[in-house]
Amino acid sequence: AQTVTQSQPEMSVQEAETVTLSCTYDTSESNYYLFWYKQPPSRQMILVIRQEAYKQQNATENRFSVNFQKAAKSFSLKISDSQLGDTAMYFCAFRGMDSNYQLIWGAGTKLIIKP
Amino acid sequence: GAVVSQHPSWVICKSGTSVKIECRSLDFQATTMFWYRQFPKQSLMLMATSNEGSKATYEQGVEKDKFLINHASLTLSTLTVTSAHPEDSSFYICSAKTRETQYFGPGTRLLVL
Repeated sequence: AQTVTQSQPEMSVQEAETVTLSCTYDTSESNYYLFWYKQPPSRQMILVIRQEAYKQQNATENRFSVNFQKAAKSFSLKISDSQLGDTAMYFCAFRGMDSNYQLIWGAGTKLIIKP
Repeated sequence: GAVVSQHPSWVICKSGTSVKIECRSLDFQATTMFWYRQFPKQSLMLMATSNEGSKATYEQGVEKDKFLINHASLTLSTLTVTSAHPEDSSFYICSAKTRETQYFGPGTRLLVL
């Protein structure tokens, strides 16, 4: 069975710093999707970034980028020039190709951006 | 981007009553929607997968007679918590899938007194 592990329950950095959130997963599938979702205090779950396993190029969305290491089954999220609005819970999620689109979730990392 | 609405955003009800929560995909059609429950400081727990025009698929441990799901159209799924009890108080979130990604509604806070 697939699993997703986020080993950092909480992190805090100063505004404008760069922060990296870690995520590892376990699967026997060769093709799949990985996601980072953000859940701010409003509790609205927001898609941050998506990576398709068959694409070697790391996904990037503005200040957000991933370091996808398929062999190591690692999928870390880097936030550059962090802003106060980045304060949120961040969840890593995995979706296999034969999973009826269900997501396997990590436990989440609480990120606090300090002014 | 894909937008999913959820209504109501919060509801308080008496024990024994039923509560209906609506989930709509506003700018896309979704043959599959998902219902989650989230406890404080925890990740999302999948309750059921809702497929348009067919019966929902419930996760192990979720009572289908208590959490009724209806996916009557390509843009609307409803979750009805029947005979609600205080232990049903929680944050319920729906999502709708596009080809690759799930997009989430803003959630419904349910408090059963």
